[in-house]
Formats: sequence, C-alpha cells, structure tokens
Amino acid sequence: GQQVMQIPQYQHVQEGEDFTTYCNSSTTLSNIQWYKQRPGGHPVFLIQLVKSGEVKKQKRLTFQFGEAKKNSSLHITATQTTDVGTYFCAGSGTGANNLFFGTGTRLTVIP
Amino acid sequence: NAGVMQNPRHLVRRRGQEARLRCSPMKGHSHVYWYRQLPEEGLKFMVYLQKENIIDESGMPKERFSAEFPKEGPSILRIQQVVRGDSAAYFCASSQMTEDTQYFGPGTRLTVL
Repeated sequence: GQQVMQIPQYQHVQEGEDFTTYCNSSTTLSNIQWYKQRPGGHPVFLIQLVKSGEVKKQKRLTFQFGEAKKNSSLHITATQTTDVGTYFCAGSGTGANNLFFGTGTRLTVIP
Repeated sequence: NAGVMQNPRHLVRRRGQEARLRCSPMKGHSHVYWYRQLPEEGLKFMVYLQKENIIDESGMPKERFSAEFPKEGPSILRIQQVVRGDSAAYFCASSQMTEDTQYFGPGTRLTVL
C-alpha cells in the first residue's frame, strides 16, 4: 500500500534558525498538501503543490515538489516561536479517494 | 462561511458503551473524511463518504466501527462497545471534490475509562 514518510520525526531549533522537513512517498503522487497542527489543535491546510518541480513560497515558508512527484520539502527561514507545531505532508495517488498523511515532524522552537 | 463543525469536542465513555461523533461539513462540501489520531502520532485515515454513500472504508476497523452520511444532517461515526484502545482524537474533514483541499474540524477527543 501507499506510504508517506517524513523526516525528521522531531526537530528542536533555536529561534532564528532555519528548519526543513522532508516527505517521501513510495508511489508517484498526483499532488501534495501540507498541513500544520498546533499542540492540542487540528490540522490546518497550508498549501497544495501539483506540478513536478513546483516551488511555492508563503512569507518565510518555502514548499517544493520533487521532479518525480514522489517527494516534497518544507523549509522555514528564521523560525519564530509561532512556528511551533507538527507539520504534516499529505498526498494522493492518481484517482485515489483519500489523502495519505505523512508521519509528521514536530517542531519545537527554543526562544 | 462556517467551517467544519464537530461535536462533542470531548466525550468520556466507560468500556462497553457506545460513542457517537458528529461532523457537519463546510457549506457546499459533499465529501467527508474521518481520521483517528492517537496521542503523539499522525493521522490515520478511516473512512471517506459522500452523501448517502461510503466510498472508501479501507481504514475502518472491521468490527464495532461504522459511519454514515445521510441525505439530511451530519455525518456520524459510531463506535460500539468502546474499549480503552479507542481513546484518541477523531477528526473530520470535508472537501468540495476528491483530491481537493481538506478542511478539518476541531476534533472530538474520546476518552474511554
């Protein structure tokens, strides 16, 4: 079955440092989505990538979709304490009915 | 435009009781998804429904769990004869179309004593 893995599982950074989480799928994806979940909260949609090699930016966040559409990354520049939470990638195969969520990367930002 | 609504937000049940979790999708959304999240873990897909139809229930345990999305009213996730291992956060999400962005509700946190 389809699997979506994320690394690292946990990341502690000093405020101001950069952070990157990587997402890898066992199969080719039709699109990839990224979500953020604050502690005690629910997943909140951040962005969707569809095209091979696509790069999108949201302020300090940069999202990339691999050329083979099997991997993706999220990079945060100069982390802030408000960036704390778990970041999930989620992908679906072509014609699939549901999203497969990655295992998530929990980010802790030390002030 | 109200977001995805879930109730109750917190539910406590004793072993053997039934749990009913409700989800009202966003206005205009006809696709509903249920996920389970155990403490410190990721989201596990359970079931995908459209109005009156179960499209994919590959993530649902074979026994005790059922889901419905009637023509009128919210989607219901029903867990019969709950056990301690059912304690988790259950999230509902909705979308307009398959593969579209999924918008999550606040979740129902089920505790089984």
